[in-house]
Amino acid sequence: ILNVEQSPQSLHVQEGDSTNFTCSFPSSNFYALHWYRWETAKSPEALFVMTLNGDEKKKGRISATLNTKEGYSYLYIKGSQPEDSATYLCAPRRGGANNLFFGTGTRLTVIP
Amino acid sequence: NAGVTQTPKFQVLKTGQSMTLQCAQDMNHNSMYWYRQDPGMGLRLIYYSASEGTTDKGEVPNGYNVSRLNKREFSLRLESAAPSQTSVYFCASKASGVADTQYFGPGTRLTVL
Repeated sequence: ILNVEQSPQSLHVQEGDSTNFTCSFPSSNFYALHWYRWETAKSPEALFVMTLNGDEKKKGRISATLNTKEGYSYLYIKGSQPEDSATYLCAPRRGGANNLFFGTGTRLTVIP
Repeated sequence: NAGVTQTPKFQVLKTGQSMTLQCAQDMNHNSMYWYRQDPGMGLRLIYYSASEGTTDKGEVPNGYNVSRLNKREFSLRLESAAPSQTSVYFCASKASGVADTQYFGPGTRLTVL
């Protein structure tokens, strides 16, 4: 079992604001870091998979960075829209393991 | 291409009853997973199957059994349901590469009275 921490637990932002969340995980034996987006009453959907220290990924207005040496990843959303409202989960994968350990997520609400 | 499917979508059981949750994927993935999701707890892994013919325990396996029937299907069985097993259950599957992500089914909402 990995200790995966996500902060904040929840936040509310105004439409158009930019925001970011943090995922912290043990840096030892790191293999990959997954980000998922989970809308209410739906299933989690993959956003990014990151493997290398210093990785940056981008999909539209959402981007993520990875620091494997210190064990954290940031997810950024630029110009938040109401449709960005969801819970954002991170899940690290350790070397030699075939499974992910999910954090409890950051619940984002974008107010129109 | 249906992705990952789960049946049933909803189920209500009485304490002590048994049931099997079914999961199937049509993406030719090697690995399959069962999670439960409880408020404030996030997704917790119950069991997984790295490939056909193998199964391994996750974080919270007690009270559950699994069967990897073939490459497509991975079932989760509750032999004697308890109220603590009230939860939403998600099945997921994944190919084998480093950057492969897990694809989730729609979930089964189970209530044990």
